[in-house]
Amino acid sequence: DAGVIQSPRHEVTEMGQEVTLRCKPISGHDYLFWYRQTMMRGLELLIYFNNNVPIDDSGMPEDRFSAKMPNASFSTLKIQPSEPRDSAVYFCASSPLGTGVYEQYFGPGTRLTVT
Amino acid sequence: GDSVTQMEGPVTLSEEAFLTINCTYTATGYPSLFWYVQYPGEGLQLLLKATKADDKGSNKGFEATYRKETTSFHLEKGSVQVSDSAVYFCALGTAGNQFYFGTGTSLTVIP
Repeated sequence: DAGVIQSPRHEVTEMGQEVTLRCKPISGHDYLFWYRQTMMRGLELLIYFNNNVPIDDSGMPEDRFSAKMPNASFSTLKIQPSEPRDSAVYFCASSPLGTGVYEQYFGPGTRLTVT
Repeated sequence: GDSVTQMEGPVTLSEEAFLTINCTYTATGYPSLFWYVQYPGEGLQLLLKATKADDKGSNKGFEATYRKETTSFHLEKGSVQVSDSAVYFCALGTAGNQFYFGTGTSLTVIP
């Protein structure tokens, strides 16, 4: 089975531009998570969804960040406008029905560089 | 509040050495405990888990025992290999469906 798919794998953009990160969770998984990882701040949970509904977005840093999950097989994380401090690796993860938030399967990540 | 604390890294070991990475937790109720591993350039992977006191999780030669009396879940491996070089994250899941990762411990194994 395919794992969690993220695209693009690398993104380089200029400050002020809009960035959209994409995620396809594993089929049948009902939770989806977005994380950000940096050397300075480690792994941070940004938002998670259950059955396409946002459950906790308290980790979203500010209004420049938004996430959507229009259906069970697709989610986006958008940054508008982007800033250099948004440079990080962004991970999407999903977890199977019945395991809640516990058994998370991570994608390979998107490395974002904002210049 | 609920949290996990794991030992500071980085840890550097020679091949075939014994590994211990300490993890302690704070939680109300009866949490589940996990170790995740992140290999270079990849996302995190679930390594092992334990859902109740005295459970031992094991996988790929790694083990961890859920110790309620010491609120600990230390990761051990008897003989590490170069391929075990990675960052290891302790994590806690609560009955209220909250999940907390530790800060991660970097392990480098040298031949």
